[in-house]
Amino acid sequence: EVQLLESGGGLVQPGGSLRLSCAASGFIYTNYDMTWVRQAPGKGLEWVSVTDGGGVRTYYADSVKGRFTISRDNSKNTLYLQMNSLKDEDTAVYYCAKDGCSGTSCWDHWGQGTLVTVSS
Amino acid sequence: SYVLTQPPSVSVAPGKTARITCGGNNIGTTSVHWYQQKPGQAPVLVIYYNADRPSGIPERFSGSNSENTATLTISRVEAGDEADYYCQLWDSSSDHRVFGGGTKLTVL
Repeated sequence: EVQLLESGGGLVQPGGSLRLSCAASGFIYTNYDMTWVRQAPGKGLEWVSVTDGGGVRTYYADSVKGRFTISRDNSKNTLYLQMNSLKDEDTAVYYCAKDGCSGTSCWDHWGQGTLVTVSS
Repeated sequence: SYVLTQPPSVSVAPGKTARITCGGNNIGTTSVHWYQQKPGQAPVLVIYYNADRPSGIPERFSGSNSENTATLTISRVEAGDEADYYCQLWDSSSDHRVFGGGTKLTVL
């Protein structure tokens, strides 16, 4: 059974940093792209970042580029999102998701999400 | 960047058919995926590659994609289908993944 478990969320002041983790199990982790998606309170889904199976190719939404860094440790089956220079508008539930559509990027398994609150 | 446009809300009576649209420039030339999200829960993939259903998704859910509109169709709507629905695609020109704004389906 595929499982994705996010952690690391919490309250942080504007300008601060936070690192999210996503522990994966139940599938061959290195074979799949992994993604972060976020959802601000009462708002829609927003794609944040994606990395390929080897952690070599990474892409970011314009809203986080230069501030967030996605990475993965394939020896630990864990995905990370390092978030720096956080802004109020980064407040959201952050989900990690496993790719389910080779070549066109869809997500067939999701974690339960971790809440990040940016506030002074 | 690529924009996907969904109606904010759709209402349908139980047993009827709901159609949720997702508009985009030449969207018919790429693959569109659909997610269902119920309050307090993570999204669930209900349609991928325009019209394929993951295992466990009822046959009542179907999809199509042509020209400038992709459509999620839910037949014989049930109360349990009430949720937010999002379309999504991969914009190959930017390597960005894009969501539509979401549609709230209300079962009357």
